[in-house]
Amino acid sequence: AQSVTQLDSQVPVFEEAPVELRCNYSSSVSVYLFWYVQYPNQGLQLLLKYLSGSTLVKGINGFEAEFNKSQTSFHLRKPSVHISDTAEYFCAMGGGSEKLVFGKGTKLTVNP
Amino acid sequence: ETGVTQSPTHLIKTRGQQVTLRCSSQSGHNTVSWYQQALGQGPQFIFQYYREEENGRGNFPPRFSGLQFPNYSSELNVNALELDDSALYLCASSLGFGSGGYGYTFGSGTRLTVV
Repeated sequence: AQSVTQLDSQVPVFEEAPVELRCNYSSSVSVYLFWYVQYPNQGLQLLLKYLSGSTLVKGINGFEAEFNKSQTSFHLRKPSVHISDTAEYFCAMGGGSEKLVFGKGTKLTVNP
Repeated sequence: ETGVTQSPTHLIKTRGQQVTLRCSSQSGHNTVSWYQQALGQGPQFIFQYYREEENGRGNFPPRFSGLQFPNYSSELNVNALELDDSALYLCASSLGFGSGGYGYTFGSGTRLTVV
């Protein structure tokens, strides 16, 4: 069975500090991996995706993620966060079927 | 290019009632997927429609049903509502079926509260 585990439910950081949101996945087939962001009372916005090729993926708003097949991880990073990055972040996996499998989310809170 | 539009944005229903949620897909997209997001959880796949046919279903009972229309818009129907059906329902459209290689566009969701 496919599964996605987000290792931190909440991550508080100070503005302009770096951040890493951790995501591990489990799958017996090749996967696509995604990070989505959800602001309060809104839907999901795609930050970045890994389909194939380079393992370092750059997305919107200065975010990037690295696909690590040996560690089955797809961690999201940003070198310097802003207050406006406060949101919930979801890691998701596709490729084995028609559905996306999501993690439970990580709430990122950026403090001044 | 319009995005994915969902209606209504919020609604409150009584246990045992029926509800219909609507979704207009992004221009050019022919596939619609529905997800349920309970409070504090990640979205869970309900089903996907491609060219008006169900293309896959998650672990949801038959009282969750759907339709896709020739213009690729879609409806999610839930019968015999239960308190646990309270959630944010997200619609996502894409070009081509499957799990995201083509990229999903999500709507803002419908917040359903069952009392």
